[in-house]
Amino acid sequence: EAGVVQSPRYKIIEKKQPVAFWCNPISGHNTLYWYLQNLGQGPELLIRYENEEAVDDSQLPKDRFSAERLKGVDSTLKIQPAELGDSAVYLCASSLNGQETQYFGPGTRLLVL
Amino acid sequence: KQEVTQIPAALSVPEGENLVLNCSFTDSAIYNLQWFRQDPGKGLTSLLLIQSSQREQTSGRLNASLDKSSGRSTLYIAASQPGDSATYLCAAPGGGARQLTFGSGTQLTVLP
Repeated sequence: EAGVVQSPRYKIIEKKQPVAFWCNPISGHNTLYWYLQNLGQGPELLIRYENEEAVDDSQLPKDRFSAERLKGVDSTLKIQPAELGDSAVYLCASSLNGQETQYFGPGTRLLVL
Repeated sequence: KQEVTQIPAALSVPEGENLVLNCSFTDSAIYNLQWFRQDPGKGLTSLLLIQSSQREQTSGRLNASLDKSSGRSTLYIAASQPGDSATYLCAAPGGGARQLTFGSGTQLTVLP
């Protein structure tokens, strides 16, 4: 069974440029999470989806960040415009029906110059 | 708001040693607690999940315990191996919410 897939794995952009990350969860998992992980820290939740509905986006900086999961399967996280402080690893995870065990993808490592 | 703390931040041990990683949380109204492993440049892998009704959970050489009343969990690794070298993170729900709050992790190095 394929795990959570994320792309790209690495991205380097200049500040003020837009960037997008893609995530495909494990087949059949209706709950999808986007996390941000800074160096030496644990992941912090940005947004959680139940199917196509964003049920917890209180930590998402809505002035520059947006996310969508139009068909309730794969998801895209966008930053526009990117700032230097956005350099981090962006992790996607999924779980079955909101059950506790979350399965993580390898992450996208973003560097903003 | 749930806060999760892990001590120590880093640990280096010789191969074969038994070790304990510590995790503390501020909001004891949790329904479970999870331990994850993260290898450099990789995502997180779930190791153990302890339900609030359980006191411990075991998988191979790993044993995790949970004491809700004191707000603590420990991860015990028996007979450590160099392949156990990784960062170990614990995560607890935010007082009943489904959002997980992670600790900063303990970076473990097992020396051959």
